[in-house]
Amino acid sequence: AQTVTQSQPEMSVQEAETVTLSCTYDTSESDYYLFWYKQPPSRQMILVIRQEAYKQQNATENRFSVNFQKAAKSFSLKISDSQLGDAAMYFCAYETSGSRLTFGEGTQLTVNP
Amino acid sequence: ETGVTQSPTHLIKTRGQQVTLRCSSQSGHNTVSWYQQALGQGPQFIFQYYREEENGRGNFPPRFSGLQFPNYSSELNVNALELDDSALYLCASSDDQGAGTDTQYFGPGTRLTVL
Repeated sequence: AQTVTQSQPEMSVQEAETVTLSCTYDTSESDYYLFWYKQPPSRQMILVIRQEAYKQQNATENRFSVNFQKAAKSFSLKISDSQLGDAAMYFCAYETSGSRLTFGEGTQLTVNP
Repeated sequence: ETGVTQSPTHLIKTRGQQVTLRCSSQSGHNTVSWYQQALGQGPQFIFQYYREEENGRGNFPPRFSGLQFPNYSSELNVNALELDDSALYLCASSDDQGAGTDTQYFGPGTRLTVL
């Protein structure tokens, strides 16, 4: 069974600074997808970024980028120029064929002004 | 483009009762997945529906059942409610082809409290 581990229950960052959230996963599959979702206090789960395992290039979406290390089964999220609106719970998630998402336990990010 | 919607927003039930939660998928999406998120935890996969058929199920008992309608909207039914069923129930839709993978987009959730 696939598992996703987020080892940082809480992180904090100063506004305008950079923060990296960690995620590791365990799978025997070779073809899969990885995601970072953000869940603010409203509880709406919002897609931040997506990475296909077959792509060597790391995904980037504006201030958000990932460091995908397939051999190490590591998938970290870097948030640059942090903003107050980035404060939320961040979930790392894994998906293989069948579209079943497996989530980590989440990292609560606080952004300090 | 209309996003994923869920109803009701909040619901309070007593132990032993039955509940039905509803989800309308995003326009153009044919697949709906349901997740249960207990307080302080990540979401857990309940099941998925693709073209009105169940297309995968997580580790949940049979008293959790579902339906998908021709317009791709979906219902989650829970019978014989237990206190541990108290959680946020999330619906997500995607434009899968039955075996492929596409990004899932989530609704705002239904908060169920069982007393």
